[in-house]
Amino acid sequence: DAKTTQPTSMDCAEGRAANLPCNHSTISGNEYVYWYRQIHSQGPQYIIHGLKNNETNEMASLIITEDRKSSTLILPHATLRDTAVYYCIVRVVSTSGTYKYIFGTGTRLKVLA
Amino acid sequence: NAGVTQTPKFRILKIGQSMTLQCAQDMNHNYMYWYRQDPGMGLKLIYYSVGAGITDKGEVPNGYNVSRSTTEDFPLRLELAAPSQTSVYFCASSDISNQPQHFGDGTRLSIL
Repeated sequence: DAKTTQPTSMDCAEGRAANLPCNHSTISGNEYVYWYRQIHSQGPQYIIHGLKNNETNEMASLIITEDRKSSTLILPHATLRDTAVYYCIVRVVSTSGTYKYIFGTGTRLKVLA
Repeated sequence: NAGVTQTPKFRILKIGQSMTLQCAQDMNHNYMYWYRQDPGMGLKLIYYSVGAGITDKGEVPNGYNVSRSTTEDFPLRLELAAPSQTSVYFCASSDISNQPQHFGDGTRLSIL
């Protein structure tokens, strides 16, 4: 199964862009990258996902390198409420044909006032 | 906007006791999942279900059982609680398996 590597923690000033990197060098061609975040040990919250093209939604942007070995989640204007643990996840296909998530240990983002 | 509801939120068990963690979703999702999260770690998949009557093992199924008699409910059973099962348990659901999963707020379980 593909694995992800993320920095343990990062700080970001409020109002600035937060750029969260993720390495997934063993990812296969049909495996998607998903990003979730977890605030105060609540259930993970979906942010964005992609395969090979860059993606943007109302929450964030996802930049995937051309070789697909790494990606960056961008929160364009971080607020204090964005303080959370951010998980970069590879979605793999199980032996039964069902998709499943492989979680890493995440990046603890602290947004500073 | 109930989404995925987990009960109880907290529970303390003694070694050897059994209990069932409840999970219900009101989105008519076919896929449901159980994860556990140990301190400082990411989530690990215990069991999942692709529809009523169909379940399968995830990465860490030992010591757990599941059933799926209805689309809405996916209970997780611990038969003989062990200290290694102290964790936070999350239930999730998705419409189809390639759609984002929706998570509940978790059950914090301590086994002493």
